[in-house]
Amino acid sequence: DSGVTQTPKHLITATGQRVTLRCSPRSGDLSVYWYQQSLDQGLQFLIQYYNGEERAKGNILERFSAQQFPDLHSELNLSSLELGDSALYFCASSVDTRNTGELFFGEGSRLTVL
Amino acid sequence: DAKTTQPNSMESNEEEPVHLPCNHSTISGTDYIHWYRQLPSQGPEYVIHGLTSNVNNRMASLAIAEDRKSSTLILHRATLRDAAVYYCTTPRHSGNTPLVFGKGTRLSVIA
Repeated sequence: DSGVTQTPKHLITATGQRVTLRCSPRSGDLSVYWYQQSLDQGLQFLIQYYNGEERAKGNILERFSAQQFPDLHSELNLSSLELGDSALYFCASSVDTRNTGELFFGEGSRLTVL
Repeated sequence: DAKTTQPNSMESNEEEPVHLPCNHSTISGTDYIHWYRQLPSQGPEYVIHGLTSNVNNRMASLAIAEDRKSSTLILHRATLRDAAVYYCTTPRHSGNTPLVFGKGTRLSVIA
């Protein structure tokens, strides 16, 4: 158990819909990262937050947005869903933003868009 | 991040050592070398990381070349539970650049 909690574990929805994925970081971790993993694209970095502020942006679509709340949990919002958005979405957390330590990953949220 | 190159797949017999290579020829002097692995149907998990010296922990050993342009993750005795995709990554130490993962090496362990 990494200490990172993601909900829901599975989600099935239709094209055009909007979903919200939730992540609770490990206790004490201030930095939260979102990754998308699909079969053909591998593990893709989407966005990072640190203590409530956006720190880095990767290959995140404009239809996607995220935020980190004062209690440090984070939400990833996916809207106008397309079939290609079907993927595993992972949240990870770390103590800070320096790349000298460990990232702790959750078990992921599997999104299926029909 | 420095570009990393790993073999797509490797195979090992159970209880034998496994050496997983990674090339990172454009790594800069302050960038750490991180290894993660992803077991089937799970999120990635940290394995080990290092800067210059070889590192050991309960999971594996990391051997870093003297010029730091390559590294090798060593599993001393592979078990069936070690079958996973292993990722090598070398994020920039300076600035806020999160870990970026390539395709990794898919390790199969044969009983």
